[in-house]
Amino acid sequence: EVQLVESGGGLVQPGGSLRLSCAASGFTFSNYEMNWVRQAPGKGLDWVSYISSGGDTIYYADSVRGRFTISRDNAKNSLFLQMSSLRAEDTAVYYCARGFNSWGFQHFDLWGQGTLVAVSS
Amino acid sequence: SYVLTQPPSVSVAPGQTARITCGGNNIGSKSVHWYQQKPGQAPVLVVYDDSDRPSGIPERFSGSSSGNTATLTISRVEAGDEADYYCQVWDISSIHPGVFGGGTKLTVL
Repeated sequence: EVQLVESGGGLVQPGGSLRLSCAASGFTFSNYEMNWVRQAPGKGLDWVSYISSGGDTIYYADSVRGRFTISRDNAKNSLFLQMSSLRAEDTAVYYCARGFNSWGFQHFDLWGQGTLVAVSS
Repeated sequence: SYVLTQPPSVSVAPGQTARITCGGNNIGSKSVHWYQQKPGQAPVLVVYDDSDRPSGIPERFSGSSSGNTATLTISRVEAGDEADYYCQVWDISSIHPGVFGGGTKLTVL
């Protein structure tokens, strides 16, 4: 079955760190670009970060640049998001999403079920 | 950075046609993608590249884009179509290229 499964969410204090993982199965992970997208409680979707299939191109939203680090391990079919200096406004469900690139324009054709990150003292 | 603007809500009676708009500067020059999200669930792609449908998405879902407005059209609306809908573009000229609209809540009356 083609799927993405996130893990690693939880409750963390402001200023703390957390590492999210996304396990891919059912497709050739190394062929695909990947993204993290988050959704704060009751709010809309918010793109967080992108990594190319080989890991050599990375982008971040302004709100997380310098605090979050995206990475991948193609041998283990896994995507990661290392989050540090966490703030209350980072509280959200974090989704990993597979990117499909057509003519340079990417859409997200496969999503995980999400993992909840709560930042609170 | 690029901004996408959606109406917060759209209401339609069953069997009628719903149109959800997504506004952006010269959006017709980009590829627009649409996602459906039901409560407690992950988003699902329903239209990509302005007007293409992934396999398994009913033909009732269609899209168009021109000028400064893209539109998701849902024909013969059913109760099960009630959900939040998000438009998205990939702004390749930006260092933060992923952009979502604010979302539209579709209510089936």
